[in-house]
Amino acid sequence: EIVLTQSPATLSVSPGERATLSCRASQSISSYLAWYQQKPGQAPRLLMCDASTRATGIPARFSGSGSGTEFTLTISSLQSEDFALYYCQQHNDWPLTFGGGTKVEIK
Amino acid sequence: QVQLQESGPGLVKPSETLSLTCHVAGYSISSSCFWAWIRQPPEKGLEWIGSVSHTGSAYYNPSVKSRSTISLDTSKNQFSLILSSVTAADTADYYCVRQKYSSGRVFEFDIWGQGTMVTVSP
Repeated sequence: EIVLTQSPATLSVSPGERATLSCRASQSISSYLAWYQQKPGQAPRLLMCDASTRATGIPARFSGSGSGTEFTLTISSLQSEDFALYYCQQHNDWPLTFGGGTKVEIK
Repeated sequence: QVQLQESGPGLVKPSETLSLTCHVAGYSISSSCFWAWIRQPPEKGLEWIGSVSHTGSAYYNPSVKSRSTISLDTSKNQFSLILSSVTAADTADYYCVRQKYSSGRVFEFDIWGQGTMVTVSP
C-alpha cells in the first residue's frame, strides 16, 4: 500500500499570504496525484489533477507541482474561503490512498 | 450537470449489514467511468472503500474487502455498497463518488455526493 504523508498537519496563515502544503509518497507515483479541499460539513472538492492541472473552476491562485514522491500544493494569496482541510490522494496503484490532511487555519 | 445522491439508513446495529445506494443524475453509469465509495469517520480523514467499473469489475480496500460489495444497477442508473458485520469503527460519513477513467487507468474523484452519515450503535 502506498502511504501518503502530508505536512504540516496544521498551517496557520494570514489572509493574503502564501500557503505551501506538502505531500510525500512512500514510493514513486509518477504524477498520479490529486488534491482535494474540504470545508466543514461539506463533501471534498477536487482541486488539482495529475499533480499540477487545476480542476474546472479552480482559481489560478492554486497551483500544484511535483512528481515521483514529492508534491506541493501552493495557494499564492490566501482568501477567506481558502481556510479549509486539504487532502492529497494517489491513483497510481490499488488500493487508492489519501494523505492524512493539512488544515489551513487563520493566523 | 452530474449529481450523485446517497440514500440509506442512518443507524445500523452492530454485526448487521449496512446497505447504501447512490443515484446518479445527468450521466449514465454505463459510460466509461468508475464509481466509488469513500468514507470519513467523525473528525478523521478520508478512506477509500472501493470502486466499480462501468462494466462491473470491482476493486476494494483490503481493510474492508472481505465485508464489502459494490455493484451497479444500470436499469436505475445507480450503484450500491453493502458492508457486512459492521462495528462502531464503521461509523462515518459515506460518500459516493465518480472516478475518471481512461486508457486502462483510473484517475481522480471528480464528482462527489453530499454524503450520508451512518452510525453503528445498538
